[in-house]
Amino acid sequence: QVQLVQSGAEVRKPGASVKVSCKTSGYTFTSYYMHWVRQAPGQGIEWMGIINPNGGSTTYTQKFQGRVTMTSDTSTSTVYMELSSLRSEDTAVFYCARSCCRYDSSGSYDYWGQGTLVTVSS
Amino acid sequence: DIQLTQSPSFLSASIGDKVTITCRASQGISSYLAWYQQKPGKAPNLLIYTASTLQSGVPSRFSGSGSGTEFTLTISSLQPEDFATYYCQQLDSYPFTFGPGTKVDMK
Repeated sequence: QVQLVQSGAEVRKPGASVKVSCKTSGYTFTSYYMHWVRQAPGQGIEWMGIINPNGGSTTYTQKFQGRVTMTSDTSTSTVYMELSSLRSEDTAVFYCARSCCRYDSSGSYDYWGQGTLVTVSS
Repeated sequence: DIQLTQSPSFLSASIGDKVTITCRASQGISSYLAWYQQKPGKAPNLLIYTASTLQSGVPSRFSGSGSGTEFTLTISSLQPEDFATYYCQQLDSYPFTFGPGTKVDMK
């Protein structure tokens, strides 16, 4: 069965960086795009970007350009999201989510990771 | 960027009620719209994709309709497990924005 398992909660100081992992199993890793979204406490869902695990091409939303880096490791079927220059407003749950359909970057998200809480506090 | 609005923001309903949530896009997105249900502390769960296609395993009381700029999610007969927050998302163009959400709670 398809599984997306994310790394555990993190606490960082302002200005630091955090790297969240999303280890996948149960499907062909390189055939499905992966998205990252985040959700601040009590707030809505914000799309951050997308990575094609087959080759590693990425698209980020402009808001995070220059601060976010998404990467993939085909040897471990894992995608990563690193966010730098953290500020208190970045405190949120970060989710990886798989595009539903093979080779389709516009597919809706049929599988999600469990979420990783990143807390930014001095 | 394409903006999505949802109405209402909050909805109080009773078991057995028919519930309708509307999602409007700031420009046409054809049928590139998905609906998700989210319960507290959990990841969202896909209900509807391409505006009207029911995701496998989702109860048939959920349905979606619309195209272009106006979309609806309907729950034909609200069940206890349906009290949650519902989000629409457009997948027409980057960034793949979400609506602000509609919280459905018990009257």
